[in-house]
Amino acid sequence: TQLLEQSPQFLSIQEGENLTVYCNSSSVFSSLQWYRQEPGEGPVLLVTVVTGGEVKKLKRLTFQFGDARKDSSLHITAAQPGDTGLYLCAGEGPPSNFNKFYFGSGTKLNVKP
Amino acid sequence: DSGVTQTPKHLITATGQRVTLRCSPRSGDLSVYWYQQSLDQGLQFLIQYYNGEERAKGNILERFSAQQFPDLHSELNLSSLELGDSALYFCASKSGSSGTDTQYFGPGTRLTVL
Repeated sequence: TQLLEQSPQFLSIQEGENLTVYCNSSSVFSSLQWYRQEPGEGPVLLVTVVTGGEVKKLKRLTFQFGDARKDSSLHITAAQPGDTGLYLCAGEGPPSNFNKFYFGSGTKLNVKP
Repeated sequence: DSGVTQTPKHLITATGQRVTLRCSPRSGDLSVYWYQQSLDQGLQFLIQYYNGEERAKGNILERFSAQQFPDLHSELNLSSLELGDSALYFCASKSGSSGTDTQYFGPGTRLTVL
């Protein structure tokens, strides 16, 4: 059983569409991170959110941390083929298990030109 | 290039064997994390070291062990290998132990157990 549930698992959309990926848990995390992973490579950090309710923007990507620090979402506006990849959320903690990271199962995004 | 190096890139071995995976963190990074990524389990945290000391343990099997040396490189030892151990093994390094420090992943070692 995954501590962090990501949805959807797969997403295939046309260039220019918007999408949202969700990362949910019943546990509280010290921080939550989003990564993107390309085939044959390690995950690359996109953003870290720490405060409940925090919203961070990275160009066309918007990340939100839930008020209770149990869930997060990643919204991509006007998706481009270069956004194709595996998106992973990872929670650090909870505070009693600081330094442990729990990864979601991932969302495989394919953006068609 | 994340600055984290892992060797070897690929490893093919037989059941029952023992292998050692090596990780060199980014220059100056004190924390090293090991992860296993398989198709059915996703990315699983195994163990973390900080400046030579074990700090956190995840879903690491008793057949697996790790250590971090004085020069901060780390090794993950996998013994009595089973078919199910076939996976990508990543190490990641972080400068400190704060939650806001960035974790940089290496390119991974692909282990195939036949």
